[in-house]
Amino acid sequence: GAVVSQHPSRVICKSGTSVKIECRSLDFQATTMFWYRQFPKQSLMLMATSNEGSKATYEQGVEKDKFLINHASLTLSTLTVTSAHPEDSSFYICSVMWGGSGTEAFFGQGTRLTVV
Amino acid sequence: GENVEQHPSTLSVQEGDSAVIKCTYSDSASNYFPWYKQELGKGPQLIIDIRSNVGEKKDQRIAVTLNKTAKHFSLHITETQPEDSAVYFCAANIGGGGNKLTFGTGTQLKVEL
Repeated sequence: GAVVSQHPSRVICKSGTSVKIECRSLDFQATTMFWYRQFPKQSLMLMATSNEGSKATYEQGVEKDKFLINHASLTLSTLTVTSAHPEDSSFYICSVMWGGSGTEAFFGQGTRLTVV
Repeated sequence: GENVEQHPSTLSVQEGDSAVIKCTYSDSASNYFPWYKQELGKGPQLIIDIRSNVGEKKDQRIAVTLNKTAKHFSLHITETQPEDSAVYFCAANIGGGGNKLTFGTGTQLKVEL
């Protein structure tokens, strides 16, 4: 399967600042990556689909101006949480689709964001 | 919207026993059903998946069954070990050929010695 690396694994930031999370596909060129958000003891909720060379597609209810996604290359997508607030504290995870049918999803190790 | 229901939310078994987790889905066009294992503080790990053209798939101690008519699929873990303790998520793709996944609510499995 695909190897996906996220950085940082955890970050603490002050309220009002912005935080950038990187997602790298180490052994596979990914035209599409997905960003998820997971609150404690809850399921994964899809935030947006990151498309290489074009704008990201956001799920309903996700603010695109708050969660900026850039997919500038086939191996890197970034998620920037702008003007972070305590309610943005969560576990953010990215995934890439792999396999002949393009449906097998492999996830990064996640980023724990804490906004204080 | 389309959703995936998962039961039970918690499951406790004795080491060596079997564990079964069940999921139902609503989108009749779904044709890909993966299962993920998530350990605390880590990203989900794909452990097994099944496509709609088969009814069962097995990989060592793990098996998945699919009933397309009833729209449900199940994860079976035999001879459970303490290291199987984790949260397990089922998922289904939306719209059949689509590559978006909808996840179940998760099952906390605890394997007790």
